[in-house]
Amino acid sequence: KAGVTQTPRYLIKTRGQQVTLSCSPISGHRSVSWYQQTPGQGLQFLFEYFSETQRNKGNFPGRFSGRQFSNSRSEMNVSTLELGDSALYLCASRETGTGYTEAFFGQGTRLTVV
Amino acid sequence: GDSVTQMEGPVTLSEEAFLTINCTYTATGYPSLFWYVQYPGEGLQLLLKATKADDKGSNKGFEATYRKETTSFHLEKGSVQVSDSAVYFCALSGGTGGFKTIFGAGTRLFVKA
Repeated sequence: KAGVTQTPRYLIKTRGQQVTLSCSPISGHRSVSWYQQTPGQGLQFLFEYFSETQRNKGNFPGRFSGRQFSNSRSEMNVSTLELGDSALYLCASRETGTGYTEAFFGQGTRLTVV
Repeated sequence: GDSVTQMEGPVTLSEEAFLTINCTYTATGYPSLFWYVQYPGEGLQLLLKATKADDKGSNKGFEATYRKETTSFHLEKGSVQVSDSAVYFCALSGGTGGFKTIFGAGTRLFVKA
């Protein structure tokens, strides 16, 4: 099976712009989560989707949003980019709808805001 | 809420040395516990997991035991290699946090030849 695929791998954007990141989960996985990784804050949970519904959301401003499509692919959008949004954004998928099984991570999208 | 605390790094060891990375957790309920590893420029890979008390997860020579009485999940390896150099994250999910995975801060390991 193919793993979790994130596109693009690298992005450079200017302050004030918006960006959309994409995640294709492992085939058959219906749960997709997003995390932001920075040197200062570590890994922080953004949100989780299951069957196109957002079930959980982390403590991020409304500029961060996401969605999931019927084929389980997910997108994350950040509007009005700030310098502090520079980070590695990781997507993870789970086979089941519970939190007890492991999450499989993609390689991430490295976003740099200048 | 649920949380994970792991020892700060970096940890520097010589090849073939014994490795321990401490991890303790706070959780209501009975979460699953995980160790993930991140190599430079990569995402996170699952190293091992344990889903209930006294379970031992193991993979590639690494081991960790789910200790409910001490709320710990320490990572150990008897003989590290240079290729084990990476950042290791202890994590939990399925407790009160539900579907999200809660990570520790990560511990960077350097192994010298």
